[in-house]
Parts: sequence; C-alpha cells; structure tokens
Amino acid sequence: QQPVQSPQAVILREGEDAVINCSSSKALYSVHWYRQKHGEAPVFLMILLKGGEQKGHDKISASFNEKKQQSSLYLTASQLSYSGTYFCGPALGGGADGLTFGKGTHLIIQP
Amino acid sequence: DAGVIQSPRHEVTEMGQEVTLRCKPISGHDYLFWYRQTMMRGLELLIYFNNNVPIDDSGMPEDRFSAKMPNASFSTLKIQPSEPRDSAVYFCASSRSGYGYTFGSGTRLTVV
Repeated sequence: QQPVQSPQAVILREGEDAVINCSSSKALYSVHWYRQKHGEAPVFLMILLKGGEQKGHDKISASFNEKKQQSSLYLTASQLSYSGTYFCGPALGGGADGLTFGKGTHLIIQP
Repeated sequence: DAGVIQSPRHEVTEMGQEVTLRCKPISGHDYLFWYRQTMMRGLELLIYFNNNVPIDDSGMPEDRFSAKMPNASFSTLKIQPSEPRDSAVYFCASSRSGYGYTFGSGTRLTVV
C-alpha cells in the first residue's frame, strides 16, 4: 500500500533539473507532495486532483497520470533551498483518508 | 495563524512510564492526523480524526497506544507503558477537508 518513490537519493549542482517519481499499486484519487528539511516538519507543496493535471509552485511542478497510477515531481533550475526529502502521498478515496507516504527521495543541491 | 502546535518538543522518559503528547490543530480544520517518523519506517500514519471522531486507527501499533480528540482544538496521543522501540518523532497534522496537511513541529520522544 505504501507508494514507491524513485530515485531514493539525488545529488545535483545548483541550476540542474531533477525528476522524482511516485507510483502506487492502487487506483488514485489524488496525490500530495511534501518537502521536509532536516530536523523540521514536512511542508505541503501541492496536491493534484485530476488525472493528467499539472500544477506548479515556483520552479517546482508536478504531473499526475491517473491511468498509470503515477505522479512525477519536476524541479527546474534547482536552488540550494530545494534540498531536503520529498514525499509523495497518494489518496485512494474521494475524501480525506489519511495519507500513506512513500519512503521519500533525498535531494542534495550543491553550489 | 499560529499553525499546528505540539507539546512537548522533546520528551525523555524511562521504559514503563506513561507518555502523553499533545496537539492543537489549526482552527477550522476538520481533520487531524497523528504520524510517527523513524529512519527505518519513515512516516507512518497512526490514527486520524474527522470532526473529532476517530476514523481509522489501524496504524496504531499496539494497545499501548491510544488517542483522543475531546474537542475541535485539542488531541492527545498516549503511550502506556512506553518502550524503547517507541522512540521516534511524533507529528500531528491538520487539514481542511483532506487538502494540504499542515504539520506541527513534532515531539521527539526518547524512551530509555
């Protein structure tokens, strides 16, 4: 039931792009994305509600393929502030059913 | 908006003692979630409430764990008796209608 995230870790230079993938074995209603910095709480980035929907947040965007039960997070021209662990949380039902998060993708941005 | 408020921030207790973690959700949010985070298991959903009613407690690891939400502005997670394997960071989060969760700063629990 836990979604699978890939890659587990990424090391980038500032300005490079990254893609983080999230896949579920069950049909999805929506997908949440969060970022957690070391020693801090997870912070909500965005939610995708419809199949195929793409949303953006600064230079961070995401897509949701309902048929493939997958979502991807795109980080463009990464900044040092993007470092952290990214979690996806697929929602299976139409309402709030408590998110089961993936194990996370550790992103390190180097100057 | 003060955000989700958790207390205490840190708790060190001896094995066998009772531990109570507290959470004040954001006013107007109708969902409240308790999560536990460890290096090995990641972020685990323990229990969640909707309008103060427990909806799913299947993530509560054992009967030693219990959670209550007596009103819309307060929830507790209790561990009795505590064990070293309960050591983790416990997060409370709240949400309006299941949209973006706002997490509290967490309680770092150490059971020795």
